[in-house]
Amino acid sequence: GAVVSQHPSRVICKSGTSVKIECRSLDFQATTMFWYRQFPKQSLMLMATSNEGSKATYEQGVEKDKFLINHASLTLSTLTVTSAHPEDSSFYICSAPSGTSVSTDTQYFGPGTRLTVL
Amino acid sequence: GDSVTQMEGPVTLSEEAFLTINCTYTATGYPSLFWYVQYPGEGLQLLLKATKADDKGSNKGFEATYRKETTSFHLEKGSVQVSDSAVYFCALSGSGNTGKLIFGQGTTLQVKP
Repeated sequence: GAVVSQHPSRVICKSGTSVKIECRSLDFQATTMFWYRQFPKQSLMLMATSNEGSKATYEQGVEKDKFLINHASLTLSTLTVTSAHPEDSSFYICSAPSGTSVSTDTQYFGPGTRLTVL
Repeated sequence: GDSVTQMEGPVTLSEEAFLTINCTYTATGYPSLFWYVQYPGEGLQLLLKATKADDKGSNKGFEATYRKETTSFHLEKGSVQVSDSAVYFCALSGSGNTGKLIFGQGTTLQVKP
C-alpha cells in the first residue's frame, strides 16, 4: 500500500522556539493532506487541511498563525509550530488520500511526531 | 455537527474469544464509515470501510456493517488473536466531500493468551 512518512518522529524543544514537522507521501502524489493532533488516550482531532499550491484550511479553534502549514509540492506538507509552549506538546499525525476522491479514497497515515515542549 | 461515539475501553479478551466494539455516529448526509487500527508504536492503518448503507466491510477476519437505521458500524471478529491487541478507531467522512475524517475516541483491545 501507499506510504506516508513523517519527520522527525520525536522532537524536544524549549518553550518559545519553533518546530517544523514534515509529512511526505512516498509513492503517490497528494494534492490534499490532513494534519491531526492526538492527545494521550484520546482521539485524533483534525487541525487543518493542507492544499497543494494554496492556503491551508484550518478547523475552528486552531490558530493559523501558530500552526503554519505549507504544502509546497505534491508529496510534501510541513507543519510549523511557532513559539511553542508546553501546552503544544502532543502527538501530531498527518494523512493523505491515495486518489482524487477525497471522501471515499483510502487515507494513509504517517507514523506521527511526538512533540515535547519544555 | 457530525460525531462518532465508541464504546469505552479497555477491552480485555482471551485468545479465540468473540469481539464486538460498538460504534454509533451522527451525521448529515450519507458519510462513508471506517475502522482504523493503531498497533503499538505504529501509525493508523485502515482496517475496513463501507461507503453506503447495508455495505459490509471486511478484512483480516474483522467485519462491520453500515446500518443506517441504527446509525451504527459495530466492529466484530469471531476469534481474536494476541496480535490483534491494538487501539481501534471508528471514523466517518465529514460532510461536504472534503476528505476530513471524524474519529471516535478509540477503544483499546488487549488479547491475552
